Amino acid sequence: GESVGLHLPTLSVQEGDNSIINCAYSNSASDYFIWYKQESGKGPQFIIDIRSNMDKRQGQRVTVLLNKTVKHLSLQIAATQPGDSAVYFCAEIVPGYSTLTFGKGTMLLVSP
Amino acid sequence: DTGVSQNPRHKITKRGQNVTFRCDPISEHNRLYWYRQTLGQGPEFLTYFQNEAQLEKSRLLSDRFSAERPKGSFSTLEIQRTEQGDSAMYLCASSNSQGIEEKLFFGSGTQLSVL
Repeated sequence: GESVGLHLPTLSVQEGDNSIINCAYSNSASDYFIWYKQESGKGPQFIIDIRSNMDKRQGQRVTVLLNKTVKHLSLQIAATQPGDSAVYFCAEIVPGYSTLTFGKGTMLLVSP
Repeated sequence: DTGVSQNPRHKITKRGQNVTFRCDPISEHNRLYWYRQTLGQGPEFLTYFQNEAQLEKSRLLSDRFSAERPKGSFSTLEIQRTEQGDSAMYLCASSNSQGIEEKLFFGSGTQLSVL
C-alpha cells in the first residue's frame, strides 16, 4: 500500500509485483523529464527520460507515462525486485533553463 | 571507474570554519553542476559551469559559497564561515549537453556536518 512517511511518501510492494510511482510536476512549460533512482548513501542514478512531445516511453522493465493535461508523470516498474528499493525522483527542465528541478521523491520498499 | 568522483565523502567541521569540496566530472562532459540535498528532499540546484564559465547561480548560493572550475575539468565548491544550516549532502553532476536533453550523471556526494 501507499502511505505518507515522516519525510517521504512510501510505496511498499512484494517482489514480483508491478510498481507505479507518481509525480506531479510544477511547470506546464517543462519539456523534458527524467526519473532518477537514489539508493542510500549514493547520488541519483538516471533511469529513463521523456520529452514533452511523447506520452510514453519504455525501457528495460520500466515505462514512463506523461500526461501534460494534468502535469502528471508516472514510472512503472515491472516485476519489482528487492534491488529496486530506493527513493525515486522525477525531475523537469523548463525551456530556457539548463538545470533540472527535482520533485520531492517517493520511497519504494520491496519485500522478498 | 569513469563516473563522477567527489571528495571527501564525509566532512565534519565546526561552525565558522571553511570547507572545500572537489568534484571530478566524467572526462568528456562539458557541463558540471552542484546541487545540495537535505534529508527527505530532492536535490536543489546551486550552480553550473559550461567548460570553465559559471553560467548560473541559484539564490541558495549565498556570498559564503564560491565555486570554481579553473580549467574546465574538475571543480571545487568552498563554503566560508560554515553554519549549522549548511549541513547537507553536496552533489556534483556532469553532462554532455545535447540541447534540452540534460542527462545529468551524479557523483556519490560529500556529506557535510556542521557542529
